[in-house]
Amino acid sequence: KAGVTQTPRYLIKTRGQQVTLSCSPISGHRSVSWYQQTPGQGLQFLFEYFSETQRNKGNFPGRFSGRQFSNSRSEMNVSTLELGDSALYLCASSFGPGGSEQYFGPGTRLTVT
Amino acid sequence: AQTVTQSQPEMSVQEAETVTLSCTYDTSESNYYLFWYKQPPSRQMILVIRQEAYKQQNATENRFSVNFQKAAKSFSLKISDSQLGDTAMYFCAFPAQTGANNLFFGTGTRLTVIP
Repeated sequence: KAGVTQTPRYLIKTRGQQVTLSCSPISGHRSVSWYQQTPGQGLQFLFEYFSETQRNKGNFPGRFSGRQFSNSRSEMNVSTLELGDSALYLCASSFGPGGSEQYFGPGTRLTVT
Repeated sequence: AQTVTQSQPEMSVQEAETVTLSCTYDTSESNYYLFWYKQPPSRQMILVIRQEAYKQQNATENRFSVNFQKAAKSFSLKISDSQLGDTAMYFCAFPAQTGANNLFFGTGTRLTVIP
């Protein structure tokens, strides 16, 4: 069974631009969660989607948004990029909500210049 | 408020030896899960082991086992017969809310296995 895939793997953007990251979960998984990993703040939860509905949202500004499609694929969007948005963005999928094992993708490394 | 504390930023162990990574946490939830994840230099986050808080029996997965002390809110990971491939960052985590997948992570312990 194929694992979680994330595209693109690497991205360089300029301040003020916007970016869209994509995540395809493991087949059959309906929950997708997004995390931001930085050296200073560590791993922080962004949001979780289950069956196309956002179930939880972390403490991030409204510039960070996401969505999930009927095939469970998810995208996250960051508008008006700031230097501090440079990070590794990890997507994780799980079969269901609440305590299921989450399986992570390889991440998208975003660099904002 | 939920907290996760990994008090050992870095550790090292000789190959084939045993090492224990510590994790303490605090949550107001009564029914929850706890996880250990490893992140090798490739940055791929890999699930190591899961513990259900309502189970008294400690979880084991091959060379990996946990010592779960619910009253003390302690969840340590023991790695037996350490291998070079165990070199990685190890994160302790749990869902911030019961019934959710919003994991709250500790700051991690960098483990180096020395040949």
